[in-house]
Amino acid sequence: AAGVIQSPRHLIKEKRETATLKCYPIPRHDTVYWYQQGPGQDPQFLISFYEKMQSDKGSIPDRFSAQQFSDYHSELNMSSLELGDSALYFCASSLAGGLSAFFGQGTRLTVV
Amino acid sequence: GIQVEQSPPDLILQEGANSTLRCNFSDSVNNLQWFHQNPWGQLINLFYIPSGTKQNGRLSATTVATERYSLLYISSSQTTDSGVYFCAVDRGQGAQKLVFGQGTRLTINP
Repeated sequence: AAGVIQSPRHLIKEKRETATLKCYPIPRHDTVYWYQQGPGQDPQFLISFYEKMQSDKGSIPDRFSAQQFSDYHSELNMSSLELGDSALYFCASSLAGGLSAFFGQGTRLTVV
Repeated sequence: GIQVEQSPPDLILQEGANSTLRCNFSDSVNNLQWFHQNPWGQLINLFYIPSGTKQNGRLSATTVATERYSLLYISSSQTTDSGVYFCAVDRGQGAQKLVFGQGTRLTINP
């Protein structure tokens, strides 16, 4: 069965650079979520989209922005990267009102 | 916001042992999921279980919604069961913004 696809899997950036993470949800899923997991931490909700509109917002820094496109894929844009942004970034998808969120394999971002 | 507490934080067992992981939550929930994060970081869905009991092979889970806790049982542990087990909840309808517990790190030694 198709799963949530994230790219790239690994990314190394320098401080103050920008990064773009991509997420392709499970086919027919209309809702995507972004989570950030710092080293040794639990995943923290960043932002979600339903039918290309932002549906909820968590602890997402102002330096980050995201959107969902007409084909339902989503991109997380991160600017002015800081060392503390180094983390595993997960995308998840679900059907609106669906029972479970399914997570991608994550993008490991390292800021040096 | 809702609080999620998992116990124990760490668990070390020998292969073949059974284990019980607990998740307490501070408010009523409409969604509760258990995940296994393997050593490569992948988050794998185990159960969607806002109430009741489910079983999948050597794993089973029970949620007592009225008492605000859930239990994950692992029987006949294998080394591949090692990793971090997360409980995550949401108060909304369906999978909204999940709030995760801090996880239980399980190590199964051969």
